[in-house]
Amino acid sequence: SYVLTQTPSVSVAPGTTATISCEGDNIGDKSVHWYQRKTGQAPLLVVHGNTVRPSGIPPRFSGSNSGFTATLTINSVEAGDEAEYYCQVWDTSGDPSVVFGGGTKLTVL
Amino acid sequence: QITLKESGPALVKPTQTLTVTCSLSGLSVSTSGTGVGWIRQPPGQALEWLAFIYWDDTERYSPSLRSRVTITRDTSKNQVVLTMTNMARKDTATYFCALMRRTDAFDYWGQGTLVTVSS
Repeated sequence: SYVLTQTPSVSVAPGTTATISCEGDNIGDKSVHWYQRKTGQAPLLVVHGNTVRPSGIPPRFSGSNSGFTATLTINSVEAGDEAEYYCQVWDTSGDPSVVFGGGTKLTVL
Repeated sequence: QITLKESGPALVKPTQTLTVTCSLSGLSVSTSGTGVGWIRQPPGQALEWLAFIYWDDTERYSPSLRSRVTITRDTSKNQVVLTMTNMARKDTATYFCALMRRTDAFDYWGQGTLVTVSS
């Protein structure tokens, strides 16, 4: 089965840039989605289709995907961005199935 | 406004069957191109996908849980139901339902329901 690997934790200072990676075999050929999960809240879709921000998501959030790594970038990080971030794809190598990465905890120092 | 709301027992005993229901409002579960999935998150662990059902009743299951999980739609009630058999303590988690539309991402989520497995 397809595996998505994320760095468990990232720490950045407010106002700087956070880079959260998601690695998978030829992930560049897939459509990657990113979710923000704050404690006590439902997950929130922040990027879909590798680069598209849903309505209401600030432009500080951006995504990219190439080769073996997809990346979520958060510019001018704010305290309110502290959360877990998960990448997700559909694995269509057999019966289609949804795959989530293991999550990255973003800490704003 | 599209909303999803999960409901089900807060506590189940080991070996019992769990049934959780997702009630959708603002959109029909029969809307072409849409689907509803179930995802769970055990305490301190990552999101884990369980199952998915499309508007045309096509079902998809996590390979690791396929033998224990069933997903169904009730179009008359606009609900999607997940059943999971032979519950164990490791199945303690918050269970979410989420809506997928033409983007193939989960763009609306319920608030989740915490299910604890304990005798």
